[in-house]
Amino acid sequence: GAGVSQSPSNKVTEKGKDVELRCDPISGHTALYWYRQRLGQGLEFLIYFQGNSAPDKSGLPSDRFSAERTGESVSTLTIQRTQQEDSAVYLCASGAGAGETQYFGPGTRLLVL
Amino acid sequence: AQSVTQLGSHVSVSEGALVLLRCNYSSSVPPYLFWYVQYPNQGLQLLLKYTTGATLVKGINGFEAEFKKSETSFHLTKPSAHMSDAAEYFCAVSERSNFNKFYFGSGTKLNVKP
Repeated sequence: GAGVSQSPSNKVTEKGKDVELRCDPISGHTALYWYRQRLGQGLEFLIYFQGNSAPDKSGLPSDRFSAERTGESVSTLTIQRTQQEDSAVYLCASGAGAGETQYFGPGTRLLVL
Repeated sequence: AQSVTQLGSHVSVSEGALVLLRCNYSSSVPPYLFWYVQYPNQGLQLLLKYTTGATLVKGINGFEAEFKKSETSFHLTKPSAHMSDAAEYFCAVSERSNFNKFYFGSGTKLNVKP
């Protein structure tokens, strides 16, 4: 089927506003990851979902960041009260299970003015 | 926590020359090891991975990587560069004890000159 999709592809927002980023994983993939990629830097792990287990939130940089996943399907990453340092590409990846190959979406490019 | 070091944020080679992209990890316990490639305006895709077994791993597009435990390295090579190899390459690891998390290097941009 289709690969991982993310929306929106680009988002410009004002400092202090909340944003919601969406990820649709590959059907049947139980593992879902969110990463942040700042300009010129590598990928920074944010959060991991695996089936019905409690998510691994250890990478979330502050309590302004949260994520949810509905069953084994769509996930949303929410950033509250955005700051300029939140500007980055947010990548979602899904996999068949823990430690399995990750398949990445095209990312959402977030710019906070 | 793991750290992944990619030496050289930019590497430039001539078409037909050897490609060598370096990756070192910090863990004392050999992790799972991955190389991903990101072509311009595209998402990351897996090139190859090492989990167990033979330490020389072959991937797509003629790339291969060798896991060297003594050097904590997983360098990526290709004998002869092609223009289409121009992209950004990321090394990643996940710990065998906790493969929830993946740690990525900062990436190496490969430029191939005609």
